[in-house]
Amino acid sequence: AQSVAQPEDQVNVAEGNPLTVKCTYSVSGNPYLFWYVQYPNRGLQFLLKYITGDNLVKGSYGFEAEFNKSQTSFHLKKPSALVSDSALYFCAVRDRGSTLGRLYFGRGTQLTVWP
Amino acid sequence: DAGVIQSPRHEVTEMGQEVTLRCKPISGHDYLFWYRQTMMRGLELLIYFNNNVPIDDSGMPEDRFSAKMPNASFSTLKIQPSEPRDSAVYFCASSRDGPYTEAFFGQGTRLTVV
Repeated sequence: AQSVAQPEDQVNVAEGNPLTVKCTYSVSGNPYLFWYVQYPNRGLQFLLKYITGDNLVKGSYGFEAEFNKSQTSFHLKKPSALVSDSALYFCAVRDRGSTLGRLYFGRGTQLTVWP
Repeated sequence: DAGVIQSPRHEVTEMGQEVTLRCKPISGHDYLFWYRQTMMRGLELLIYFNNNVPIDDSGMPEDRFSAKMPNASFSTLKIQPSEPRDSAVYFCASSRDGPYTEAFFGQGTRLTVV
């Protein structure tokens, strides 16, 4: 069965400091991995995805994520946080071997960046 | 493209009433998803369609919920009769074919059942 875990409900970081939002996954085969961001009263917006190749994926707004197969993780990172990065972040996984289109989402991590 | 369009943005209804949520996916997208978001349960997949055909409706809470996709550009999620516990934000999303493609979400419908 596929699943995603985001072990931290909340992450707080000072502006200018690096940030990490953690994600681990479980799939029966190899994964496609995604990060989404949700601002208040808005839908989810796609940030980045891992399909294959380089384990470090770069996405929108300076975010990047590192795929680690041995640790089944896909942590979201940014070298220098901005107050405007404050939002709810979701990790999602899809089984590469599945013929179905279903995405499995984590419960989300609330990121707060204070000035 | 205008993105995924949902209507209404907000809906307040009385318990027992029928509620219909609407979604227009992005043109050319083969998959359409309906999600529900609450504080307690997070983001739940209710049902999804591929080429207008329902593929997995195992997330639909009960028979009060139904979803249709009569054509490639329109889908509805209906709740009849509605209950206070149905209060949530309902999202529609669409994506192209292929498991590596990302989904694009609408702005959601905030449903309040009183």
